[in-house]
Amino acid sequence: DVVVTQSPLSLPVTLGQPASISCRSNESLVHNDGNTYLHWFQQRPGQSPRRLIYNVFNRDSGVPDRFSGSGSGTDFTLKISRVETEDVGVYYCMQGTHWPFTFGPGTKVDIK
Amino acid sequence: QVQMVQSGTEVKKPGASVKVSCKAFGYTFSDYAISWVRQAPGQGLEWMGWISGFKGDRYYAQKFQGRITMATDTSTSTAHMELRSLTSDDTAVYYCARDTISGGTTGRYWGQGTLVTVSS
Repeated sequence: DVVVTQSPLSLPVTLGQPASISCRSNESLVHNDGNTYLHWFQQRPGQSPRRLIYNVFNRDSGVPDRFSGSGSGTDFTLKISRVETEDVGVYYCMQGTHWPFTFGPGTKVDIK
Repeated sequence: QVQMVQSGTEVKKPGASVKVSCKAFGYTFSDYAISWVRQAPGQGLEWMGWISGFKGDRYYAQKFQGRITMATDTSTSTAHMELRSLTSDDTAVYYCARDTISGGTTGRYWGQGTLVTVSS
């Protein structure tokens, strides 16, 4: 199985400041069809996960533009340009290129 | 609008089976697939498997092979996930999430989750 790691696992942030989460895989996530199936999810306490970014950098509709995704191959990043209170939660990356699909361990974001 | 509505909370004894359902609204069921994901208390997300809403093709994570069955009923736009031989380690919230028909672009829409508690 593809192993997905994230860093940091805990990220205290200051309101209004940027934040960045790294996601790495032990195999390239470039699919045979040319797409890279790396997605980012936010899970607020007590809620179902919500997808923010799909296929590395595509923002889902309704997601604030302060969220952005980048990367390629085995190395990916989620950035929040200015953290707001509602961004508190756990962030997961997930790869859908190789069966079985796998999630990273999650990064807990909270306010300093 | 698209909604995934799951069945209610379950309490099971060790060794029993549980069946969780996920009814889809607002899109053509056979145009997409369903992934099942679970989350043990205080833990991260764990992908369990995938089933196509079209032909019923499925892929199960090896960890669950032999005791999981996923099925779809296109007449009711419903997906089902049955997990057998339950242990306390299976206590978790189980989610369904819409996936693409080819798999891989998971999770634009999620169910509300179904809590399954396994306890003697």
